[in-house]
Order: sequence, then C-alpha cells, then structure tokens
Amino acid sequence: AAGVIQSPRHLIKEKRETATLKCYPIPRHDTVYWYQQGPGQDPQFLISFYEKMQSDKGSIPDRFSAQQFSDYHSELNMSSLELGDSALYFCASSSSVWALAGGPGAYNEQFFGPGTRLTVL
Amino acid sequence: GDSVTQMEGPVTLSEEAFLTINCTYTATGYPSLFWYVQYPGEGLQLLLKATKADDKGSNKGFEATYRKETTSFHLEKGSVQVSDSAVYFCALVTFAGNQFYFGTGTSLTVIP
Repeated sequence: AAGVIQSPRHLIKEKRETATLKCYPIPRHDTVYWYQQGPGQDPQFLISFYEKMQSDKGSIPDRFSAQQFSDYHSELNMSSLELGDSALYFCASSSSVWALAGGPGAYNEQFFGPGTRLTVL
Repeated sequence: GDSVTQMEGPVTLSEEAFLTINCTYTATGYPSLFWYVQYPGEGLQLLLKATKADDKGSNKGFEATYRKETTSFHLEKGSVQVSDSAVYFCALVTFAGNQFYFGTGTSLTVIP
C-alpha cells in the first residue's frame, strides 16, 4: 500500500541558509500535518493543512512557512536556519472523509512518513 | 487542554521479561489512543490503536486497553525480545482534533 513520502530523507545545511522539505500524502488523503522531533524529544506539532488551506497552527517559528498544493502535496519552507532547527521533521496525512464517517469514537488517524533528518551546521 | 503523560525511561529489561509502559491522558470529548514505536534512526510506526473505551489494541505481542475510568492506555508485552528495543510513544487524537498529542517517549532496551 502507498505510504506517505517525504523528501529528502537527509539534508545538511549551514546556519542562515534556507531549506525546503516536501511531503507527498497517501493518495486521496486531503489533510497534511507537519511535526518536528528534536533529539531525544517527542514530536511537536507545527502546522496542518486541509484542502490546501491552513487548518491549525502549532509551535511553528515565524521563520518557517508551509503550504499545500493542488495535488495535496505539501512543502515546509525554513529560512534563516539555526542550529536548534536540527531535528527530524515528520509529515503525516489523513482523510477527512474517514474522520467524518463515524460518530463519537471516530478518529483522525494520521499516517506518518519516514521523516526528513535536517542537520544545521 | 489535551495531553498525554507517559512513564519516563529509560527502561532496561532482560529478554523474556514482562513489559509495562504506563500512559495516562487528559482529553475533551472522545479521544482515540495510539502507541507508536520508533527504532533508531527511523520514523514513527503505528504499533496499535484503540478508538473507544474498553477497546483492546494488539500487535506483535503488544497489548493496550483503553480504560476510560482511569484515563489510561498502558502498553504491555508478556515476553520482550531484543528486537523490541526502541522508543515507544503514547499518543491521542480527539474526534474533532487535527493534531496528535504525544507523550515524551519511553526508551526500552532489552538485553539478551
């Protein structure tokens, strides 16, 4: 079965450079989420998109921006990189149709990609 | 707000020992609960899930029961193997929610 695809898998940048991470959701999934996992930390929610519109915002720095395109893939743009941005960045996708299909107890199950490991030197 | 509190690690066990990793949650509405496993250098993999009270999720010998009365979702395995060494994350999402809330992760090391 198709899974969430993230590219690149590894990225090395210098301080103050920019980086773009890409996420390709599972086919027919309309919602994309971005998470940041620092070394030894739990994943922290950054931002999500539903049908190409931002749906929720977490702890995303102002230096970061993201968007979802017409084919539902998403890109996370990171500028003025800092050493502290070194982390594993996960993308996840879900289907709102599934989420709305049930009553109480239904869930927005998110399927996670393998992550992009960003190292800022 | 919604949150997950997870037993702190690291946890070191001998092969074939019994494993319990505690997880409790705070949530509005009807959360769904998950356990994810992360092997070194890899992404998050769904281990098991439960979507309503009294559901039991199970996979690869791991089990967790959704206990609404104690707001818990403890992970158990009767006999761990070296290959179970990984970091385990408890997580929840609510019906109306659009983000996962993760616990802090518990590192498990199983020694032969």
